[in-house]
Amino acid sequence: GESVGLHLPTLSVQEGDNSIINCAYSNSASDYFIWYKQESGKGPQFIIDIRSNMDKRQGQRVTVLLNKTVKHLSLQIAATQPGDSAVYFCAENYGGSQGNLIFGKGTKLSVKP
Amino acid sequence: DAGITQSPRHKVTETGTPVTLRCHQTENHRYMYWYRQDPGHGLRLIHYSYGVKDTDKGEVSDGYSVSRSKTEDFLLTLESATSSQTSVYFCAISESSVYYEQYFGPGTRLTVT
Repeated sequence: GESVGLHLPTLSVQEGDNSIINCAYSNSASDYFIWYKQESGKGPQFIIDIRSNMDKRQGQRVTVLLNKTVKHLSLQIAATQPGDSAVYFCAENYGGSQGNLIFGKGTKLSVKP
Repeated sequence: DAGITQSPRHKVTETGTPVTLRCHQTENHRYMYWYRQDPGHGLRLIHYSYGVKDTDKGEVSDGYSVSRSKTEDFLLTLESATSSQTSVYFCAISESSVYYEQYFGPGTRLTVT
């Protein structure tokens, strides 16, 4: 089965609030964990990555947290905007292999004005 | 947007017919990938290439073959299309050093009747 999963299939937040999207993984050998955003009708777009030797990484309005103890990954979006409405996928390079990414099923984020 | 194009963008074909999808990039990236995206399954890797004539299988490679004779082109062939191959197909590219940061094309919607 899939090693990357999601806790919630849908998430609805109010504009301006912070969003947290969660993901679980099972392969301890993966080196990188990545978040992608997919808007309706488009291909996925890279957001941010985190290496397995880190526990936190920040980008522009986004923070990714990695908890290796419980094999959990999360994406935090600060001050969520309508343009953040999309499906978010977590992914891992399964077993540390280059090029072979395993994606989760995705969480749909809806931002209410 | 990264310079990735996919052709055709939409195709309807009959069961048993061969189909070839093309991915073309202008970024000179070493890695190229083919994914399929289905409801409830997220993105699944079909095949990928790590150089001209160098390819490897992904999670769902059965029924698909690929070829890469030039850096810029990566072809996906369905030798004998089946209804289970109805899907949206995405091509992606990445640089060698950051293979997990993939740039996706606009997708091809394939319907097999």
